[in-house]
Formats: sequence, structure tokens, C-alpha cells
Amino acid sequence: AQTVTQSQPEMSVQEAETVTLSCTYDTSESDYYLFWYKQPPSRQMILVIRQEAYKQQNATENRFSVNFQKAAKSFSLKISDSQLGDAAMYFCAYLNTGNQFYFGTGTSLTVIP
Amino acid sequence: NAGVTQTPKFQVLKTGQSMTLQCAQDMNHEYMSWYRQDPGMGLRLIHYSVGAGITDQGEVPNGYNVSRSTTEDFPLRLLSAAPSQTSVYFCASSYVRTTGYTFGSGTRLTVV
Repeated sequence: AQTVTQSQPEMSVQEAETVTLSCTYDTSESDYYLFWYKQPPSRQMILVIRQEAYKQQNATENRFSVNFQKAAKSFSLKISDSQLGDAAMYFCAYLNTGNQFYFGTGTSLTVIP
Repeated sequence: NAGVTQTPKFQVLKTGQSMTLQCAQDMNHEYMSWYRQDPGMGLRLIHYSVGAGITDQGEVPNGYNVSRSTTEDFPLRLLSAAPSQTSVYFCASSYVRTTGYTFGSGTRLTVV
């Protein structure tokens, strides 16, 4: 089974600064997808960004970008110009060829005004 | 467009009781799945479906049943509730498996 590891239970960032959340995964597959989800206090899971394993180019969505290192099995999320609304729990997720999602344990992000 | 609708939002059960968590989506999504979220453990896949009439087990299927008689609905049944099933349950759906899932707002279940 695949495993997803988020080694930072908590992170904090000053408003307008940049923060990077780490994620590593373990797999023997070559075709898979990676995602970052945001869960604010409302409990709603919100898709932030996705990355196809076969694409070398790192995905970007406005202030959110990833650093995908396939050989190292690393998938970090960078949030630029952090805003108060970015405060949430962030989950890294792996989708395998069998359509099964595996989530990390999450990183709680605090944004300091 | 309601997205993914889960009912109820909160539920308290006694040990041994059974119940069904409802999940419906109006986006014509083929892929649907159920997860439970426990503190410090992220989300874990319970059951999933790739289309009407097709279901399969995820990481933690014991104590739960599912069926998929229509594209829109994917109910999760707890056969005999146990305190270990106290959790927040999420239903999610996707049109194509690789685009990322849309999640419902969750059901907080407490078994006493």
C-alpha cells in the first residue's frame, strides 16, 4: 500500500510571506496523481492543486505552486504572499492507478497578522 | 448545482445501533468514495465506487457496507455501531478520477 508522510504537524507564517509545506510518499507505481487539499475550520475539503506524475512541469495555481521531485518522491506545496484566509489544515494526497486515495496526516498552518 | 450533499451533519448512536449515512451528488460523477477522518490520522478510504453497480473496499472497510444503485447516490451503512466508529465521515465524487474529488461537508458521528 502507498503511504503519504507529512512531517510537519504545524507550521506558521507571517502574513504576506512565503511558506513551504512538505510531503513525501512511497510507491512502486509510475502512473499516479498527487493533490493538496485545504481544510479550514468549516471542515470542508477544498482542492488546492494537483500534479500528474508523468508531467515534469510543476503545477501552479495563482499563489500556490508545487515542487514535484519524482525520483525523491517528494511533493511540497509553496504558498506565496500568505493571507489570513490561508490558515487551515493542509493534506497531501496520493491517487493510485486503482483509484484509491491515500492522505497524509496533515499540516496545520497558522498565518500571523 | 448542490455538489455533494451529505446527511445528516451530526448523529449520535448507541453501541449496536445501525444507521445509513446518505450521500448524493448532482454532477453526474461516476467516481464516488467514503472516508473517515480521525484526529492525527488524516482521511482513510472506507469504500469506493467507479460507477453504478460497482463498489470496492478501501483501507478500512470493516463494519461498513455500501451500494451504488444509481449514479447519484452512494449511501454508507453502519451495521452495528461501535465506539471505534466515532469519527467524521466524508463522501466525495469525481467525474474523472484524475481531476480531484469534490467533497461533501461531512457527518460527525458519535457512538456512545
